[in-house]
Amino acid sequence: DGGITQSPKYLFRKEGQNVTLSCEQNLNHDAMYWYRQDPGQGLRLIYYSQIVNDFQKGDIAEGYSVSREKKESFPLTVTSAQKNPTAFYLCASSPGRGVSYEQYFGPGTRLTVT
Amino acid sequence: SQQGEEDPQALSIQEGENATMNCSYKTSINNLQWYRQNSGRGLVHLILIRSNEREKHSGRLRVTLDTSKKSSSLLITASRAADTASYFCATDTGNQFYFGTGTSLTVIP
Repeated sequence: DGGITQSPKYLFRKEGQNVTLSCEQNLNHDAMYWYRQDPGQGLRLIYYSQIVNDFQKGDIAEGYSVSREKKESFPLTVTSAQKNPTAFYLCASSPGRGVSYEQYFGPGTRLTVT
Repeated sequence: SQQGEEDPQALSIQEGENATMNCSYKTSINNLQWYRQNSGRGLVHLILIRSNEREKHSGRLRVTLDTSKKSSSLLITASRAADTASYFCATDTGNQFYFGTGTSLTVIP
């Protein structure tokens, strides 16, 4: 069963703690993406990676970090430096190294920081 | 911001009616894509239209693209209750994707 998995579905953390969101894909896709979605809003790009061991900042990278040590995995760490971390986080992948491909999305992780 | 803007923000129709939503964007694009998101879920790709195409069909979906006006429309014909979702356009500038703010569609049975 191919696809993108994100875990956990819901995550609760205290303010000041770092938290890592998991994203795994078995589609053999080169590119992977992390987006943030706030209520009633569109998606905003946090980070993307077009190849293993390389990643680029998106529009709202401050307070986040990523790694891409394996093709199938692209974890996102929300650090304590992120001012407003409570949001719905979506991971996606696409077949090509460019962006002229459709993106396949995971089910998302809803992070609540109190 | 290069983010697309969907219009209307919310749309409520009766089952069987057609639903039209529009997307406007600001810069030149390579392609434009439409996605659907059911409440609290990930996005699902619906259709991709390239900058040299004017119209594309997929089942009950019809997408148009007018690059001179920097706008696109998504038409869902003969809507069903299961079409209730948020719909987003995403523009590809060749370097990055930009998602719009979405249209929330409610189809009343």
